Amino acid sequence: GEDVEQSLFLSVREGDSSVINCTYTDSSSTYLYWYKQEPGAGLQLLTYIFSNMDMKQDQRLTVLLNKKDKHLSLRIADTQTGDSAIYFCAESNGIYNQGGKLIFGQGTELSVKP
Amino acid sequence: DAGVIQSPRHEVTEMGQEVTLRCKPISGHDYLFWYRQTMMRGLELLIYFNNNVPIDDSGMPEDRFSAKMPNASFSTLKIQPSEPRDSAVYFCASSLRAGTSYEQYFGPGTRLTVT
Repeated sequence: GEDVEQSLFLSVREGDSSVINCTYTDSSSTYLYWYKQEPGAGLQLLTYIFSNMDMKQDQRLTVLLNKKDKHLSLRIADTQTGDSAIYFCAESNGIYNQGGKLIFGQGTELSVKP
Repeated sequence: DAGVIQSPRHEVTEMGQEVTLRCKPISGHDYLFWYRQTMMRGLELLIYFNNNVPIDDSGMPEDRFSAKMPNASFSTLKIQPSEPRDSAVYFCASSLRAGTSYEQYFGPGTRLTVT
């Protein structure tokens, strides 16, 4: 079945780059998403990438997709304390119409130390 | 747009009581999702609707849970009777199919505590 895996924790120093990794099993995934959840809040869509792309950049965020290895990463440049949050990877299968259902990973808790 | 609206934001109730959580999706969105988040189990999809019709309720834990969507702008998730293990944060999300992309937008959640 479909599965999305992430490491649970990542700790970095302020100003460094953070790289959050995700692997998925569904080879027919069409879109892959990154969400951010700050304490006490809902999930906020950060960015997404279509499966025929291998990279997408949006200001400090860079998404890399290796479709052959089913590996997705989110790089945050110049990480700030405000980036401390839980980051969720998710995938969807738009073509086969799973009705917009997203499969989420367990989330990676990013801790940024000053 | 105001985004997805959920009420109440916090709910404390005693075991055995009925609990009703409410959600207003983003106007024009045709999918609505209910999730539950706990430390132990992470984020779980409970049920989702398309055009007000339930599509998949396989994540609903048991018959004590029910969800309705009487119209495009309102949905409820009801737990009757509630139990302490139902304590969690419940999120509602909505989405609109744009091509083959399904970005979901989440509400702020309802933190439920059952004592």
